[in-house]
Formats: sequence, structure tokens, C-alpha cells
Amino acid sequence: SQELEQSPQSLIVQEGKNLTINCTSSKTLYGLYWYKQKYGEGLIFLMMLQKGGEEKSHEKITAKLDEKKQQSSLHITASQPSHAGIYLCGADQKRSGYALNFGKGTSLLVTP
Amino acid sequence: DTGVSQDPRHKITKRGQNVTFRCDPISEHNRLYWYRQTLGQGPEFLTYFQNEAQLEKSRLLSDRFSAERPKGSFSTLEIQRTEQGDSAMYLCASSYGPWETQYFGPGTRLLVL
Repeated sequence: SQELEQSPQSLIVQEGKNLTINCTSSKTLYGLYWYKQKYGEGLIFLMMLQKGGEEKSHEKITAKLDEKKQQSSLHITASQPSHAGIYLCGADQKRSGYALNFGKGTSLLVTP
Repeated sequence: DTGVSQDPRHKITKRGQNVTFRCDPISEHNRLYWYRQTLGQGPEFLTYFQNEAQLEKSRLLSDRFSAERPKGSFSTLEIQRTEQGDSAMYLCASSYGPWETQYFGPGTRLLVL
């Protein structure tokens, strides 16, 4: 069973448009990580959220953590072709301190 | 500032052969992790090391898989008697410690024919 569900599975947006990707956990979140993966490559760390209500931004990407809903969202403002890739959320759902569970990812394509 | 590096980046092998992958973590990180990612899925945890000690192994890691981290520096992941189901991207990550951000390498893509 998938303990971290991401939606949508894939997204095609026109350059300049805003978009949101969601990550919902079936278990309590003890930290939520967002990564970006270019096709066939490794994961690039974007942001880590640890506290309920926490919000972080980097350039045009904002991530929020809703602890009560066990959900996180990643919002991209004014998307650019460089934002294209697979966005993955990961979490240490067992509070192990080492093993991250990941969602299946959201594939983003930004068209000119 | 060098990140996590992995070698080789790609490996094609025939079923039944042994393969070995190498991971060099960020130098000051004492934790090193191995994950496996298949097409359309997120990475799945395989095992991790704190310094040279292997502290946890997932049940995904069958007895054909072995990992080492001699002297707490680089790590190797060996797969013996490869099977077609082993075809995947093998990702290595490292961190300062528990609950710290894990930084990933570029991965080794394995194809077993």
C-alpha cells in the first residue's frame, strides 16, 4: 500500500502558469521532504518541513505542511521550462531517523 | 563542494552475473543510505550505515545483496547472481545524522538482460 499519495500523477502547464502538487500521508508526519528528479537522474533536495503550519520558499517554489491533515503542498509560481521534472515527497513515517518513504512522484511538463 | 558521487552511472549485465556499485558520500557525512527506484515509483529504502556499521537492512535486500562501508568512507553495493527483477536505478544518499536532510547521488542505472 502506498503510504504517501501524490496528486496529480502528472501535470502539463503552460509557461507562466502557477501549479500545486499535493502529498498526503496515511500516517503522522515527522518531517516532510520535497525533492526534484530529472528523468534518469538522482534526486535534488528542495525543502524540508518539520512543524505543522511551516512554510518555506525558495525562488518560485513554496512548500507548506499541514500537520492536522497530514498533508503537504508544493506550489510553483510563474512556471518555467526549467521547473520540468518529477517532484517527489518523502517522509520518515516510522520516526526511524533513517528510512524515508516516498510517493510515486508527480511528473511536470512546462510548455512554451 | 562536492556532492554524492556514484560509479558507474550505467551498467548492463547478463542474468546470473555479479555487479558492484560504488558510492562516495559527502565527506563530512557519517550516514550513508542505499535506495532502489523502479520505473514510475519513488525510491525504496534498502539499507544504511552509520560510519562503517550497517545498522538496518530492508526485507527488500535479499541475501544476493551485500553492502559494505569500509573505514566509514565510500560504500559498495554488490548484487550476486543478478535477475531481471534487479533492473532498477540504485541511489545512494548521505547525511550528517538522523533526521537530517539526505542528499542523493546521480544513481546507477542497472539493466539485467
